[in-house]
Amino acid sequence: DSGVTQTPKHLITATGQRVTLRCSPRSGDLSVYWYQQSLDQGLQFLIQYYNGEERAKGNILERFSAQQFPDLHSELNLSSLELGDSALYFCASSPRWADAYEQYFGPGTRLTVT
Amino acid sequence: SQKIEQNSEALNIQEGKTATLTCNYTNYSPAYLQWYRQDPGRGPVFLLLIRENEKEKRKERLKVTFDTTLKQSLFHITASQPADSATYLCAPPGGGFKTIFGAGTRLFVKA
Repeated sequence: DSGVTQTPKHLITATGQRVTLRCSPRSGDLSVYWYQQSLDQGLQFLIQYYNGEERAKGNILERFSAQQFPDLHSELNLSSLELGDSALYFCASSPRWADAYEQYFGPGTRLTVT
Repeated sequence: SQKIEQNSEALNIQEGKTATLTCNYTNYSPAYLQWYRQDPGRGPVFLLLIRENEKEKRKERLKVTFDTTLKQSLFHITASQPADSATYLCAPPGGGFKTIFGAGTRLFVKA
């Protein structure tokens, strides 16, 4: 158990809908990362927050947005969902903003868009 | 652009042998590199981090090397066990606080 929690574990929704994925980092970790992993694809970095501020942005679609709240939990919002958005979404946390620290991954949220 | 390459083919070895996985990078010089293990449907688990000024790092049966001249990192598992079967990902920084994960190499250890 990494100490990172993600909810929900599974989500099934229809195209065009909007969903919110939630992540609670390990106690004391200030950085939160979001990744997308499609079937047989590698991990794609989406976005990173540090202590409430956006720190880095990867290949995140404009239909996707995220935020980190004062209590350090983070939410990833996916809107106008398409079939291709079906994937595993992982959240990770680390204690520092600099990326020379290991990341602790949550169990993921499996999103299925039908 | 920055590119990470790992053995795309699965690696099959016999229990007790040493597994060696390769991570090659091009078009940049990362200051460090991380290795993770991922089991199907689960989040990656951090294994080791090696910095550019470290030639080698060990943790129990795991060893990582970092050759900045060859632009390559090797990940070794000695005395491999069936429980070591998983996908192993190398992850150098991507610049600007991003992390790039390689596609991973699937390792199968046969009893």
